[in-house]
Amino acid sequence: EAQVTQNPRYLITVTGKKLTVTCSQNMNHEYMSWYRQDPGLGLRQIYYSMNVEVTDKGDVPEGYKVSRKEKRNFPLILESPSPNQTSLYFCATHKTRTGELFFGEGSRLTVL
Amino acid sequence: QKEVEQDPGPLSVPEGAIVSLNCTYSNSAFQYFMWYRQYSRKGPELLMYTYSSGNKEDGRFTAQVDKSSKYISLFIRDSQPSDSATYLCAMTSGFQGAQKLVFGQGTRLTINP
Repeated sequence: EAQVTQNPRYLITVTGKKLTVTCSQNMNHEYMSWYRQDPGLGLRQIYYSMNVEVTDKGDVPEGYKVSRKEKRNFPLILESPSPNQTSLYFCATHKTRTGELFFGEGSRLTVL
Repeated sequence: QKEVEQDPGPLSVPEGAIVSLNCTYSNSAFQYFMWYRQYSRKGPELLMYTYSSGNKEDGRFTAQVDKSSKYISLFIRDSQPSDSATYLCAMTSGFQGAQKLVFGQGTRLTINP
């Protein structure tokens, strides 16, 4: 079954405590991205990756890092989380020919 | 001004009604248009995809694009309680390079039995 798997699904943390949200896909897609979803703002792209070792900033990259060492994995790193990073995060892979995005089930992060 | 504007609702209609969901956009470079459906506590999933002006039908769903007016719509006929979800429009200028998709903020729809 084609899947995008994110972990953790829910996390409560405190300001400044580094955390990583993992994302793994089994569809062999080259393109992966991270989005955050906030009420009234919709889905906004944080970072994307067109292939292994190729990453670039999306619309709201401040406070986030990513890496793409393997095709299937694309972790999102918050080095020093702040309360304004409280949000619902989605990892997605992108089917090149059709533009279809396949989303994970989301990771709800609360930063106190 | 946002590139893509979508009425967030919420929208509540009785079962069997025809539902119309709409988005407007400002970037004339957008060529590909999509509708995603997002159930509560789930990631969005692709519902409809089109790249030209006009209508595209898939079962009870019809996607309509009017590039001259920069306006897209999704119609749901014979709406069912299982259609209750948030619907997001999305669009892009192409699928090469950055392949950036721009989303509307989503419309929350409830179909009442």
